[in-house]
Amino acid sequence: GDSVTQMEGPVTLSEEAFLTINCTYTATGYPSLFWYVQYPGEGLQLLLKATKADDKGSNKGFEATYRKETTSFHLEKGSVQVSDSAVYFCALSDPYAGNNRKLIWGLGTSLAVNP
Amino acid sequence: NAGVTQTPKFQVLKTGQSMTLQCAQDMNHNSMYWYRQDPGMGLRLIYYSASEGTTDKGEVPNGYNVSRLNKREFSLRLESAAPSQTSVYFCASTLTVNTEAFFGQGTRLTVV
Repeated sequence: GDSVTQMEGPVTLSEEAFLTINCTYTATGYPSLFWYVQYPGEGLQLLLKATKADDKGSNKGFEATYRKETTSFHLEKGSVQVSDSAVYFCALSDPYAGNNRKLIWGLGTSLAVNP
Repeated sequence: NAGVTQTPKFQVLKTGQSMTLQCAQDMNHNSMYWYRQDPGMGLRLIYYSASEGTTDKGEVPNGYNVSRLNKREFSLRLESAAPSQTSVYFCASTLTVNTEAFFGQGTRLTVV
């Protein structure tokens, strides 16, 4: 079945460091891919998405490119801030999964940014 | 914009008590979901409703029941709470299966 694997955390960085959080997936068809962010004490909110191969999603300085050849959707940011400290979730939605269609989630990666 | 509204935000139950978590969305979404979030385990799907009038089990349905009351509302019931159900519960909705999910703020439930 479909699955999402993302790098384990916690990830600890200094402010202005470069961030990469890896995400790879397996899917039957051509899924949509998402990154969500969860700030402490809050629900998840969509950070960015990509719906087809080679699409790049971007928001708030974060980017991720849908790579079908490597089945990856890695999250990157050039210069992190303390306010980026949160848990990041990679997810996919596979429209070809028949009656089992629903969002598939990675386990989340905790990011802590120190001043 | 209210989005997805969950109530209550916090709850403490004694073992064996029952309660219902309420969820409502005002975005005319077709699909709704209940998740639980536990440390180190990510989000686990309890039940979902792909469309009004249908409900299906997710990964961890035991000990829970759901009702899709109408298109807007999707409730989660714990009939006899157990300490293992201590968790943070999130309701979410999507317009269709391939679109982004919108989440409520969560319910922090403690069963003692």
